[in-house]
Amino acid sequence: DAGVIQSPRHEVTEMGQEVTLRCKPISGHNSLFWYRQTMMRGLELLIYFNNNVPIDDSGMPEDRFSAKMPNASFSTLKIQPSEPRDSAVYFCASSLGPNTGELFFGEGSRLTVL
Amino acid sequence: GENVEQHPSTLSVQEGDSAVIKCTYSDSASNYFPWYKQELGKRPQLIIDIRSNVGEKKDQRIAVTLNKTAKHFSLHITETQPEDSAVYFCAAKGPEGAQKLVFGQGTRLTINP
Repeated sequence: DAGVIQSPRHEVTEMGQEVTLRCKPISGHNSLFWYRQTMMRGLELLIYFNNNVPIDDSGMPEDRFSAKMPNASFSTLKIQPSEPRDSAVYFCASSLGPNTGELFFGEGSRLTVL
Repeated sequence: GENVEQHPSTLSVQEGDSAVIKCTYSDSASNYFPWYKQELGKRPQLIIDIRSNVGEKKDQRIAVTLNKTAKHFSLHITETQPEDSAVYFCAAKGPEGAQKLVFGQGTRLTINP
């Protein structure tokens, strides 16, 4: 398997623009996670899905952030409108299921909002 | 919710020496404790994990110890090598059904040749 695939790898945009980050989990994995990484706050869990259903979105910073998982092989994280403080590396990760331990991370999407 | 504290934030050791990173957690119900290594510009990758029914686990030069009573766990790296230089994250996860993996702030380990 190719692992968790994220796109784009790098995104530079201007404040106020919409940003969409994409993720393809490992085939057969039933749980998907979106994390945000910054120097100040480390790795923060934003939201996670089990079997395409959002389970916990308490980490989503505010209404400007939304995430969807329309099917088992695709998820999006959208920021609208984007702000400079949203600049971070966004990681998608997947795992086999709710009670399996290891998370497999994608390479991340580095977002810069000017 | 769970809170994980990790220290030190930076650690520099001479090649060949040992390195120890420590974490504490707040939720006594947590039962899974992984460690991830993140090289510069790369993704975090699992290097070792331990569950609450085990006190110590070893894999070649790395080992993890868990003290459930004190709610702390540690990563030990022996005979350090330059390729061990990276940021290391500890994490904790709650009991069955709890999927949230909460990470510590990370430790930047530098191995000096």
